[in-house]
Amino acid sequence: QQQVKQSPQSLIVQKGGISIINCAYENTAFDYFPWYQQFPGKGPALLIAIRPDVSEKKEGRFTISFNKSAKQFSLHIMDSQPGDSATYFCAASKNSNYQLIWGAGTKLIIKP
Amino acid sequence: NAGVTQTPKFQVLKTGQSMTLQCAQDMNHEYMSWYRQDPGMGLRLIHYSVGAGITDQGEVPNGYNVSRSTTEDFPLRLLSAAPSQTSVYFCASRKPGQGNTIYFGEGSWLTVV
Repeated sequence: QQQVKQSPQSLIVQKGGISIINCAYENTAFDYFPWYQQFPGKGPALLIAIRPDVSEKKEGRFTISFNKSAKQFSLHIMDSQPGDSATYFCAASKNSNYQLIWGAGTKLIIKP
Repeated sequence: NAGVTQTPKFQVLKTGQSMTLQCAQDMNHEYMSWYRQDPGMGLRLIHYSVGAGITDQGEVPNGYNVSRSTTEDFPLRLLSAAPSQTSVYFCASRKPGQGNTIYFGEGSWLTVV
């Protein structure tokens, strides 16, 4: 019940296309859902995060869509660029718990 | 802006050797943690600390020790290195409170032969 399942494991998208990465969770007590972006040779860095009181959050070309009833959330990257090529991690946590529960990661490659 | 600093960046160990991965942060964050990252397995929590003098085990603590004598430093010790500990290790820190951003170091690549 603590797991966060992320898919796909890897994704190749043409430049200008839409990249979509999905995550699913089981624990209904989770109430914070961040996405982290990791470039090769670097540590992950926070990209965007959402709480379950909203169904969507947009920051530039990056959008999180959240479906509380389905216990799913996804990251959409519009007009994908080669500079977006990175590994993306979703995560979730409960209000009272320090630890983030991490998805397994998605390696995204944007082809020029 | 140093943030979270990890040393060394790369290390090769022989099976059975011990070593310490250093981690320091200059953001006065109370929470610090160590993760390992392996292909297809995401980030797995090894140990964490919610303040100086307080440490606790994460998901995969076996074979590792930590201590937190100061707010700034959180070293990770490998007691007797095994090939299964070949991985990339990340130190991270954040302020207390749910939803605060986790700041990661740049990683330490460890190979055990």
